[in-house]
Amino acid sequence: SQQGEEDPQALSIQEGENATMNCSYKTSINNLQWYRQNSGRGLVHLILIRSNEREKHSGRLRVTLDTSKKSSSLLITASRAADTASYFCATGGGSNYKLTFGKGTLLTVNP
Amino acid sequence: DAGVIQSPRHEVTEMGQEVTLRCKPISGHNSLFWYRQTMMRGLELLIYFNNNVPIDDSGMPEDRFSAKMPNASFSTLKIQPSEPRDSAVYFCASSSAGAGSYEQYFGPGTRLTVT
Repeated sequence: SQQGEEDPQALSIQEGENATMNCSYKTSINNLQWYRQNSGRGLVHLILIRSNEREKHSGRLRVTLDTSKKSSSLLITASRAADTASYFCATGGGSNYKLTFGKGTLLTVNP
Repeated sequence: DAGVIQSPRHEVTEMGQEVTLRCKPISGHNSLFWYRQTMMRGLELLIYFNNNVPIDDSGMPEDRFSAKMPNASFSTLKIQPSEPRDSAVYFCASSSAGAGSYEQYFGPGTRLTVT
């Protein structure tokens, strides 16, 4: 079953705008990760936030985590056409390193 | 590092044929994962190994699917006999079980088409 559910399913913006994607999950987690998938490629890890963290930054990426609401958001600032991809959240729990992925948000950045 | 290597990249086969997908994880990683991705079902975990041992195969759809990891540098996913509904992109991923190393590194995938 899918643990993480991304929202929206699709997002279209203009280059230079910010893009925000949300993820909700159902059970307790140890960490939450965001991945990017370009068309026809494998997933690429972007950022990991642990359950005891509330916010994390990496370059133009900002991730927040609210464990009380079981939700996370991924913000991409100053978007570029190259950011066009599907973005997935994945939740991990326990010590078995198993991740459960959502169905993703398809982000289109128009030049 | 070459990253996770998968072969073949594309496979077209007829229903009833045996299909074998191959994966070479990143050297030093001790967890390996097989996923299947379709438009309808998204990304599904099929099976994962830790230190070459299958830990969770609850995602394997049925007995037609089997996976092996004979050593730390090689894994196979076999479908026998294949059916059209097995058409999907199959990804292999690996990760390191070092402290806090939860991120997974994905291969480029094998696009399987069963006619």
